[in-house]
Amino acid sequence: RKEVEQDPGPFNVPEGATVAFNCTYSNSASQSFFWYRQDCRKEPKLLMSVYSSGNEDGRFTAQLNRASQYISLLIRDSKLSDSATYLCVVNIRGTSGTYKYIFGTGTRLKVLA
Amino acid sequence: GAVVSQHPSRVICKSGTSVKIECRSLDFQATTMFWYRQFPKQSLMLMATSNEGSKATYEQGVEKDKFLINHASLTLSTLTVTSAHPEDSSFYICSARVRLASPADVEQFFGPGTRLTVL
Repeated sequence: RKEVEQDPGPFNVPEGATVAFNCTYSNSASQSFFWYRQDCRKEPKLLMSVYSSGNEDGRFTAQLNRASQYISLLIRDSKLSDSATYLCVVNIRGTSGTYKYIFGTGTRLKVLA
Repeated sequence: GAVVSQHPSRVICKSGTSVKIECRSLDFQATTMFWYRQFPKQSLMLMATSNEGSKATYEQGVEKDKFLINHASLTLSTLTVTSAHPEDSSFYICSARVRLASPADVEQFFGPGTRLTVL
C-alpha cells in the first residue's frame, strides 16, 4: 500500500463548478499535511497547509480527519487557471529522525470553458 | 516565500557522462535540503535528505554511489548523477527546509527543477 494515496483523475469540470479531492495516508504518526499545486513541467508550489480544525483560503477549503487518516481539498467556483495537478503531501519523521515530505501521486484537474 | 534556485534548468548529455546539478537557497539558510526525482505522469519521489556538513541519507532503492550528494554549506547542495544512462532521464527537483516553531512544523521551498535527458 502506498504511503499517500490519491485518485489520479483526471477531473474535468466546467468553470464555476465545485470539485473535491481526497487523499488517504497510511502512517498514523504523520505530523503535518499540505496541498501543493504543480503545473505541467514546473516545480510544486504550496497551496495550503491542512489543519485538524479545517482551514479555508478564499475558494479553497482543506480538511483533515486524523482518525480516518484522510485529507480533503475543496475548490469552489473553479477557474480555468485552477487547471493543474494537486499533490497531497504528508510530513513524517524518517528513521534517521529527520522529517520528510511524502507526496501522493497527484490528482489532475482540468477546468473547461 | 523563500527562493530556491537550481542550475542548470535543462541538460542533455551522452550516456556515460556525469552531470552535476546545483541547488541554492538564495535568501535563507537551509538546515536541510532534499532531492527528488519525478518521472512523467508520476509523483515526486524522495531520493535523499541532505544536512549541511554530514552525509546524505538515501531512500531505499537509491544508489548512493550513483547519485552523489554534497551539502557544503547552508545555502548550497549539489547532486551529481554519475555515469548517466537513458533510464536516469527525469525531472530532478531540490527543496530546502526552513525550520519554524518545531522540528515537525516546517515548510519546504522547491527549486524550479532540472530536466535531464540522457541520450
